[in-house]
Amino acid sequence: RKEVEQDPGPFNVPEGATVAFNCTYSNSASQSFFWYRQDCRKEPKLLMSVYSSGNEDGRFTAQLNRASQYISLLIRDSKLSDSATYLCAVQQGSTLGRLYFGRGTQLTVWP
Amino acid sequence: SAVISQKPSRDICQRGTSLTIQCQVDSQVTMMFWYRQQPGQSLTLIATANQGSEATYESGFVIDKFPISRPNLTFSTLTVSNMSPEDSSIYLCSVAGQGSGNTIYFGEGSWLTVV
Repeated sequence: RKEVEQDPGPFNVPEGATVAFNCTYSNSASQSFFWYRQDCRKEPKLLMSVYSSGNEDGRFTAQLNRASQYISLLIRDSKLSDSATYLCAVQQGSTLGRLYFGRGTQLTVWP
Repeated sequence: SAVISQKPSRDICQRGTSLTIQCQVDSQVTMMFWYRQQPGQSLTLIATANQGSEATYESGFVIDKFPISRPNLTFSTLTVSNMSPEDSSIYLCSVAGQGSGNTIYFGEGSWLTVV
């Protein structure tokens, strides 16, 4: 079983739509959780960290459910510029930066 | 923040040869890592580059195939040895800690094609 499982999509949505991605992780000792965005042929860039209390950054909301071992990302009012691959990442243990990634979910927002 | 420079940015290599990728950071960082992203796949952690000592490899990766150096807190190299077409991938350096703070940064990646 993979450390991090993620629906690869693709998700094709119109501008203005709300879209949600989920990701599950297998190791209950995982400590930190992140969503990264990766544009085609570019390196991943941190979108947001995910906290137990949930956190919001503009149109983006991230949630963590430790009991069910999944994290989610909600994008509201989708923009064309949101088209990218979204990767969830899990840090196991206390080593900062030692991440395990999901396969990524491809999002295309069309006009 | 941390600015990461990776070299080469891309290369085409003959099978059986080896290539060394460099990762230079503009500030001292605590942690440095090497990842691989094969075509259409996500990132897979190869190893943690430890300053002044042997790297810590993840399951499925070995030192003979991916020797790593980290002579100081701002520089690391990854060598892909005895390459085969299956090694065609993007190799990414990432850093965290100290100058990078708690944010994990990635280099732009080194695109490697083995023919």
